[in-house]
Amino acid sequence: AQSVAQPEDQVNVAEGNPLTVKCTYSVSGNPYLFWYVQYPNRGLQFLLKYITGDNLVKGSYGFEAEFNKSQTSFHLKKPSALVSDSALYFCAVRDLSGANNLFFGTGTRLTVIP
Amino acid sequence: KAGVTQTPRYLIKTRGQQVTLSCSPISGHRSVSWYQQTPGQGLQFLFEYFSETQRNKGNFPGRFSGRQFSNSRSEMNVSTLELGDSALYLCASASGEVTDTQYFGPGTRLTVL
Repeated sequence: AQSVAQPEDQVNVAEGNPLTVKCTYSVSGNPYLFWYVQYPNRGLQFLLKYITGDNLVKGSYGFEAEFNKSQTSFHLKKPSALVSDSALYFCAVRDLSGANNLFFGTGTRLTVIP
Repeated sequence: KAGVTQTPRYLIKTRGQQVTLSCSPISGHRSVSWYQQTPGQGLQFLFEYFSETQRNKGNFPGRFSGRQFSNSRSEMNVSTLELGDSALYLCASASGEVTDTQYFGPGTRLTVL
């Protein structure tokens, strides 16, 4: 069965500092991994995904994520945090049983402090 | 391209009633998935429709049902509402390929009183 874990419920970072939001996964087979962001009273916005290829994936709004197979991790990063990055971040893994659904982590609330 | 639209955005119902939520996917997308988001359970998969057929179903009671029309628009229905059904219901649209990205709508906030 597929699953993802986000070990931190809350991450605080000062504006201008680099940020990391952690995600680890458990899959049988090759993982298809995604990051989404959710702003208050909004749906989920797609940031980036890893399917295959380069371990460093670049996405929207300056975010990137590093796929590490040996550590089964897919951490989200940004070199310089903005106050507007404050939101709820979800890591997800695709169901590999032939369906199209995603299994989501519990979410990490990122707060960027001015 | 227009994004995923969901109607209505907000609903208030009472226990025992039923409700129908609607989702219009991105043009050309044939897959529509539904998710329930609650503070306690997080994001949970309800079901997915592809070309008018339910392709997969999550672990929810039979009170939750859905359908998809020939134009790929989808509806989900919840009958005999319970207080615990209060949640944000999210619809996601995709082409249907396993590597494709799911794009989410803004959600319908259902409150059951």
